Amino acid sequence: RKEVEQDPGPFNVPEGATVAFNCTYSNSASQSFFWYRQDCRKEPKLLMSVYSSGNEDGRFTAQLNRASQYISLLIRDSKLSDSATYLCVVNKLGTGRRALTFGSGTRLQVQP
Amino acid sequence: DADVTQTPRNRITKTGKRIMLECSQTKGHDRMYWYRQDPGLGLRLIYYSFDVKDINKGEISDGYSVSRQAQAKFSLSLESAIPNQTALYFCATSDRTGSGYTFGSGTRLTVV
Repeated sequence: RKEVEQDPGPFNVPEGATVAFNCTYSNSASQSFFWYRQDCRKEPKLLMSVYSSGNEDGRFTAQLNRASQYISLLIRDSKLSDSATYLCVVNKLGTGRRALTFGSGTRLQVQP
Repeated sequence: DADVTQTPRNRITKTGKRIMLECSQTKGHDRMYWYRQDPGLGLRLIYYSFDVKDINKGEISDGYSVSRQAQAKFSLSLESAIPNQTALYFCATSDRTGSGYTFGSGTRLTVV
């Protein structure tokens, strides 16, 4: 089983739509969670961290459910520029020896 | 100038050749990482370094080696390239919290 699993999509949505992605992680010791955005053939860039209480950044809302070991990203009022692949990322702290583990990504295509 | 610079950007090499991918950073970060990305598999960790004297294998280190020449430089070598090492390679850095990676623009490597 992969440490981080995501639906690869693609999610094809019209402009203005609300879209949600989910991600599950297998390691219950994971303590840090992130969403990264990757445009085609470009490097991943940090979109937002995910906090236990949930957090919002403009049109983006991230949620964490530790009991069920899943993370979600909600995008409201989708823009054409939101078209990208969204990577769910986890890190296990405590051992001091781990690095970030990336999901394979969910592709979003926002259509006019 | 970019915070994390990878060279070369693109490279085609023949099976059996030795090749080095270079990464330098101006972030002043202690931690540096090498990942490879393949379609459908996401980013997978090859090697990581938490400081100049600390080198660690990631999940797919076989066939690769690294050198941390200085805090700012971390190079990845393929001792004898093989076609299944054809991929997009990313270098990344982070501070000591391990959060919020900064990626280079990637090196697209093709082994023929």
